[in-house]
Amino acid sequence: EAAVTQSPRNKVAVTGGKVTLSCNQTNNHNNMYWYRQDTGHGLRLIHYSYGAGSTEKGDIPDGYKASRPSQENFSLILELATPSQTSVYFCASGGTGGAQAEQFFGPGTRLTVL
Amino acid sequence: SQLAEENSWALSVHEGESVTVNCSYKTSITALQWYRQKSGKGPAQLILIRSNEREKRNGRLRATLDTSSQSSSLSITATRCEDTAVYFCATDVDYNQGKLIFGQGTKLSIKP
Repeated sequence: EAAVTQSPRNKVAVTGGKVTLSCNQTNNHNNMYWYRQDTGHGLRLIHYSYGAGSTEKGDIPDGYKASRPSQENFSLILELATPSQTSVYFCASGGTGGAQAEQFFGPGTRLTVL
Repeated sequence: SQLAEENSWALSVHEGESVTVNCSYKTSITALQWYRQKSGKGPAQLILIRSNEREKRNGRLRATLDTSSQSSSLSITATRCEDTAVYFCATDVDYNQGKLIFGQGTKLSIKP
């Protein structure tokens, strides 16, 4: 069964601090994604990756960096966290094929920036 | 602007009743997916319907796709309390980019 895990599950950070959210998938999928979910906005794409070593900007990349050191791992980095980045973050993996490829989501990370 | 959006923020029905969630989109698509997100969990796919399909079923779920009106619907029959969740439609912007655009979601509550 598809498996995407995220760590940490909950994080409280201070404004200006650095935050790293980690994601691991055992599906051997090439594509991985980071979304944030806020009330009224649904899921918005931050960064995505086509494979190890690649990262691409999504729809709302400002203030975020991403790293894909291996097929299995994809990290989201907030170099200087701000309160506006308080949200729930989801990682997903999926095959190639646009809307014809299912995405498998992790359980989410709730980030609070004080 | 939303490239995909559900037409209602929230719906509520009694257990056993049927309910339909609607979605509209603004571009030509290769396929549309419906996802369900239960409280505290990540979304999970329910149905994928391709642009050359008009209807797809998965147990009590039925999805339709009308490319002429750029709309889709997800119907659930014989609803159960465990169907309480947020339902999203998602479609592609550019097939080659492998990106999905999600609607804002419809919160469905099933009352006992």
